[in-house]
Amino acid sequence: QKEVEQDPGPLSVPEGAIVSLNCTYSNSVFQYFMWYRQYSRKGPELLMYTYSSGNKEDGRFTAQVDKSSKYISLFIRDSQPSDSATYLCAMSQNSGYALNFGKGTSLLVTP
Amino acid sequence: EAGVVQSPRYKIIEKKQPVAFWCNPISGHNTLYWYRQNLGQGPELLIRYENEEAVDDSQLPKDRFSAERLKGVDSTLKIQPAELGDSAVYLCASSRDSGTETQYFGPGTRLLVL
Repeated sequence: QKEVEQDPGPLSVPEGAIVSLNCTYSNSVFQYFMWYRQYSRKGPELLMYTYSSGNKEDGRFTAQVDKSSKYISLFIRDSQPSDSATYLCAMSQNSGYALNFGKGTSLLVTP
Repeated sequence: EAGVVQSPRYKIIEKKQPVAFWCNPISGHNTLYWYRQNLGQGPELLIRYENEEAVDDSQLPKDRFSAERLKGVDSTLKIQPAELGDSAVYLCASSRDSGTETQYFGPGTRLLVL
């Protein structure tokens, strides 16, 4: 069993919908949690970063971390066709250490 | 600020041939990472450098993979000989230092081994 589990989808939503993406993990040492967006044939791009438990909001994006449940989420409000990409959750034990990624969830936002 | 540069972007080789990938990190970034991303999977770390020193290479298949980061800037990842299972995207990332959480990724080198 991998340390980080993520449903690969694909997930298809209409433009304007609220999107919910999530990951579960098994290793309680993880303290740093990130969400990366990856467009086709591009490298991952950092979207959100959270340290320990809590919520963080940035524009249309909200990241939540629940360490007690080992569960993290990313919410996208008012989704746009340009949000169509693969979303990867990632986490690490210490800042700067190797990132442990989920498989990624493929999201398609249709006009 | 220029991003992480990788070359080549694509490489097709036959099995048992050698191949090398090059990475130029963001200027001033001391920490450099090589990840491998298989199709439909998230990236997995191969090796992490702090300046010239490889501080985490536990996942690097050392029988066929080697890496170097001379002068603590550019880095090269080599596979010799390549196997069919090495077909993947090889991503280079950099961060300012080991205490920085943000890793910036390059576009990757897509390797196909025939």
